[in-house]
Amino acid sequence: AQRVTQPEKLLSVFKGAPVELKCNYSYSGSPELFWYVQYSRQRLQLLLRHISRESIKGFTADLNKGETSFHLKKPFAQEEDSAMYYCALRSGSARQLTFGSGTQLTVLP
Amino acid sequence: ETGVTQSPTHLIKTRGQQVTLRCSSQSGHNTVSWYQQALGQGPQFIFQYYREEENGRGNFPPRFSGLQFPNYSSELNVNALELDDSALYLCASSLAGASSGNTIYFGEGSWLTVV
Repeated sequence: AQRVTQPEKLLSVFKGAPVELKCNYSYSGSPELFWYVQYSRQRLQLLLRHISRESIKGFTADLNKGETSFHLKKPFAQEEDSAMYYCALRSGSARQLTFGSGTQLTVLP
Repeated sequence: ETGVTQSPTHLIKTRGQQVTLRCSSQSGHNTVSWYQQALGQGPQFIFQYYREEENGRGNFPPRFSGLQFPNYSSELNVNALELDDSALYLCASSLAGASSGNTIYFGEGSWLTVV
């Protein structure tokens, strides 16, 4: 069965510092991975997906199949990046999402 | 604005009662999924409806059931409520259930408290 692990529940960094949110997955097939973000009092929204290889709001994530990881990175954190971040894997007959437990990122001034 | 709307936003029920949560999908989306998010946890997949048929289900008991209507709106019904059913219930819609390339859009959720 598929599994997504986010080892850090809480992560604090100072503004301008690099940030990395860790995500590891377990899946026997070819993974399709996403990062979702939830800002305070807002709905869950897609941040980026690995197949697009895009950079959104300065964030990037590289799929490492050897390490089964999909870590989210940003070289210079901003206060507006403070939010809950979820890593998710899409699989199954319904193409449903399996989420990690989330990492609450706080960017300090 | 994603267009997925859910109602009610908050409700309180007593153990053993039944609850119905409603979701209107984004215009043109024919696939609706429901997720349960307990406090401090990531969302967990309950089931998905595609063109009014259930086409996938997570590890939830049969007392969790659903419907999808011709206009693609959906309901989640939970019978015999238990205290552990207290959670945020999220509805998500997308254009086609089998396509991996389509973005899934979430609603703001319905907070259910079982006392």
